[in-house]
Amino acid sequence: EVQLVESGGGLVQPGGSLRLSCAASGFAFSSYAMGWVRQAPGKGLEWVSVISGSGGSTYYADSVKGRFTFSRDNPKTTLYLQMNTLRAEDTAVYYCAKRSATEGVIENWGQGTLVTVSS
Amino acid sequence: EIVMTQSPATLSVSLGERATLSCRASHSVSSNLAWYQQKPGQTPRLLIYGASTRATGIPARFSGSGSGTEFTLTISSLQSEDFAVYYCQQSNNWPWTFGQGTKVEIK
Repeated sequence: EVQLVESGGGLVQPGGSLRLSCAASGFAFSSYAMGWVRQAPGKGLEWVSVISGSGGSTYYADSVKGRFTFSRDNPKTTLYLQMNTLRAEDTAVYYCAKRSATEGVIENWGQGTLVTVSS
Repeated sequence: EIVMTQSPATLSVSLGERATLSCRASHSVSSNLAWYQQKPGQTPRLLIYGASTRATGIPARFSGSGSGTEFTLTISSLQSEDFAVYYCQQSNNWPWTFGQGTKVEIK
C-alpha cells in the first residue's frame, strides 16, 4: 500500500523559512516522479513543484520559483521542500503527491501538512 | 501558463439525475486532461486521466470526453457519495494547472 506522510508544517513569520518532508513507502520510490500540490484555506489546488525519479530534474510554479527548493533522497525514500522567504500567500495545506508513471496526474496523495505564514 | 476555466461554479443536482461539468483550456492541452473529486476534509481522488480513461476503481457512471480546449465530465446518475468539488487539471505544459473547481450540491 502506498503511503505518503508529510511533516514539518507550522506557523512561520513572513520572510521566514520552513522545510517540509514527505516519507514515502509501499512502491518503487526512485521510479516515480513526485510532486507537491498546495491548497489555500477554502481555495482550489495549485501545483507547486515536480521532481523526476532520479532527482535530476525539477520544475517549479512561477509563484515559488527562486524561493522553494524540491529535493529527494532515494535511499531514504524521502522528499524535501525547502521553503524560504515565505509570504502570507504561501499559507496552505501542502500535499505530497505521487505522479503516475505514464501521465502527469496524481495517483496518490499524502494527508497534507498546514503551513501558516503570519506575524 | 495555461488557464483552466470550469463551469458552472456550482451545480445543483437531484439524486439519480445526470450531471455535466465543463472545463475549458486557454490553449490546447491535447488529451492531457484529468479530473479529480474532493470531498470536504479529504484529499482529492483521481477520477479520469487522458481526458476519458477512468482511474482504477472509479465507477462506470463517471465518464470524460473532449480534446484540445473543451472537456466534459459526466456523472450519469448522481449518487449521494458524488456530492463534492470536482477539479480538472492539464498536464500538457508545465506549470500543470487546475481549474477553480465545480461544486456539485444536492438540489
